[in-house]
Amino acid sequence: DGGITQSPKYLFRKEGQNVTLSCEQNLNHDAMYWYRQDPGQGLRLIYYSQIVNDFQKGDIAEGYSVSREKKESFPLTVTSAQKNPTAFYLCASSLDRVANTEAFFGQGTRLTVV
Amino acid sequence: AQTVTQSQPEMSVQEAETVTLSCTYDTSESDYYLFWYKQPPSRQMILVIRQEAYKQQNATENRFSVNFQKAAKSFSLKISDSQLGDAAMYFCAYRNIYTGANSKLTFGKGITLSVRP
Repeated sequence: DGGITQSPKYLFRKEGQNVTLSCEQNLNHDAMYWYRQDPGQGLRLIYYSQIVNDFQKGDIAEGYSVSREKKESFPLTVTSAQKNPTAFYLCASSLDRVANTEAFFGQGTRLTVV
Repeated sequence: AQTVTQSQPEMSVQEAETVTLSCTYDTSESDYYLFWYKQPPSRQMILVIRQEAYKQQNATENRFSVNFQKAAKSFSLKISDSQLGDAAMYFCAYRNIYTGANSKLTFGKGITLSVRP
């Protein structure tokens, strides 16, 4: 089945460690996105990418890094520079060649700093 | 920059009744797209309905319909015959018409809808 897969579902990180969240899609979508969801904050854009080897910062990129080496994959690294990383992270993808197409979401990763 | 505002953090509706969720947005563009997404307790985001700004007719999907007021920059979602499965967080989203690096999908803060049996 076509879809977008995030892993792991739950992730625990010690302070000072970098962690990488995985996002893979087999929908042949051009665009991929990372959002952070906090209670009362809605979805805030971290990074997005429209093509391989290119990506742009979103509204809250500080303390995060991404790569887009393959069309299907858009991993997010939460670095030790991110001061408050505990949150729910959502990855999404869309066709992008047509602007009115919806974004499809993964099931999310819950990151907790311990 | 575009902004999306959902001013009501929570709403409640009786099963089988109708409820309207509000959303306003701010943009200087004349053409764009608007979406409502549903996030149930499983946290899987699901598209409920979409509206193209150039279309005057309000979008409808079964029990879900929108009231799109372009001049007022308002995009409310009406849920008719509410069901227990409609209980979720609902997000309003704005998408500009561009593709590539200039594309942008912006979400509101969401509304938590509870359905009373």
